[in-house]
Amino acid sequence: KAGVTQTPRYLIKTRGQQVTLSCSPISGHRSVSWYQQTPGQGLQFLFEYFSETQRNKGNFPGRFSGRQFSNSRSEMNVSTLELGDSALYLCASSRTDNEQFFGPGTRLTVL
Amino acid sequence: AQSVTQLDSQVPVFEEAPVELRCNYSSSVSVYLFWYVQYPNQGLQLLLKYLSGSTLVKGINGFEAEFNKSQTSFHLRKPSVHISDTAEYFCAVRRSSGYSTLTFGKGTMLLVSP
Repeated sequence: KAGVTQTPRYLIKTRGQQVTLSCSPISGHRSVSWYQQTPGQGLQFLFEYFSETQRNKGNFPGRFSGRQFSNSRSEMNVSTLELGDSALYLCASSRTDNEQFFGPGTRLTVL
Repeated sequence: AQSVTQLDSQVPVFEEAPVELRCNYSSSVSVYLFWYVQYPNQGLQLLLKYLSGSTLVKGINGFEAEFNKSQTSFHLRKPSVHISDTAEYFCAVRRSSGYSTLTFGKGTMLLVSP
């Protein structure tokens, strides 16, 4: 069974631009969660989608948004990028609430 | 709300030595506990989890952890580490009833040297 895939793996943007990251969950998994990982803050929960509905949201500004499609694939968008948005963005999918499977992440660098 | 404290940001150890990575949690309700490992330039991989039952949980790659409710701890152990165990290890917690998200600790970098 294929794992969680994230595209692109690496991305370089400049301040003020916007970016869209994509996540394809494991087949049959309906829940997709997004996390931001930075050296200073560690792993922080962004949001979770289940059956195309946002089920939970972390404490991030409105510049961070996401959506989930009917095939469970998910995208997250960050508008008006800031230097502090540079991070590894991880996506995780799950079939139950007891185990999340993580993708390799997208490394975003904002210059 | 739940919180997790990983007491050591880095743990250096020699190959074939035993290791313990410490994790303490805080919660007013019952929880599930998890350990994840992250190798360089990769996502997180589940090592083991405690949901219920025996407090000693065995995971992949020879790791095990013990749930101690009275001390609110879930320390990770391995009797003999390998160079390939060099990675960052994350402890995580979520509420055991109803829906809730995972809360992660800040991580412990395990550095195994020959």
